[in-house]
Amino acid sequence: RKEVEQDPGPFNVPEGATVAFNCTYSNSASQSFFWYRQDCRKEPKLLMSVYSSGNEDGRFTAQLNRASQYISLLIRDSKLSDSATYLCVAASGTGGFKTIFGAGTRLFVKA
Amino acid sequence: DGGITQSPKYLFRKEGQNVTLSCEQNLNHDAMYWYRQDPGQGLRLIYYSQIVNDFQKGDIAEGYSVSREKKESFPLTVTSAQKNPTAFYLCASSPRKGGANVLTFGAGSRLTVL
Repeated sequence: RKEVEQDPGPFNVPEGATVAFNCTYSNSASQSFFWYRQDCRKEPKLLMSVYSSGNEDGRFTAQLNRASQYISLLIRDSKLSDSATYLCVAASGTGGFKTIFGAGTRLFVKA
Repeated sequence: DGGITQSPKYLFRKEGQNVTLSCEQNLNHDAMYWYRQDPGQGLRLIYYSQIVNDFQKGDIAEGYSVSREKKESFPLTVTSAQKNPTAFYLCASSPRKGGANVLTFGAGSRLTVL
């Protein structure tokens, strides 16, 4: 079983749609959680951290459920520019070597 | 602007050859990492270094070697012992404290073995 699992997609949605990505992690010692965005053939870039109380950044909302070991990302009012792969990340300690990346969920937003 | 520079962006190698991928950062980060990304898979950690002159194997270190002689530089050598080296290689860095889990990536090096 992978430590961080995501639905690979692809998700095909029209502009303006709301789309939700889910992610589960298997290491109960995980303490820090993130969503990264990766454009085709580019490097991953940090989209947002995920906090226990949930957090929002513009059209993006991240949620964490520690009991279920579940992380989500909600994108409202999708834009064409949101088309990318979204990587779920869990870290079990301090230091990048404790950071585990999911394989990513591919999103296509269509006009 | 601070960032991470990887070179070359594209590299072709014949079987049996060693190649070295460069990674330089000017973020003043203590920790540096090398990841490999294959289609449909998450990033897999090859090697990491938390401080100059020290580095540790990650999950898939076989067939790779690194050095960390300077804080700014963390080159990766893909040796002929690596059986399936064709992949996208990503270098990253992070502070040692305060945001140590937040990685900044270079633009990547795409290696193809002919």
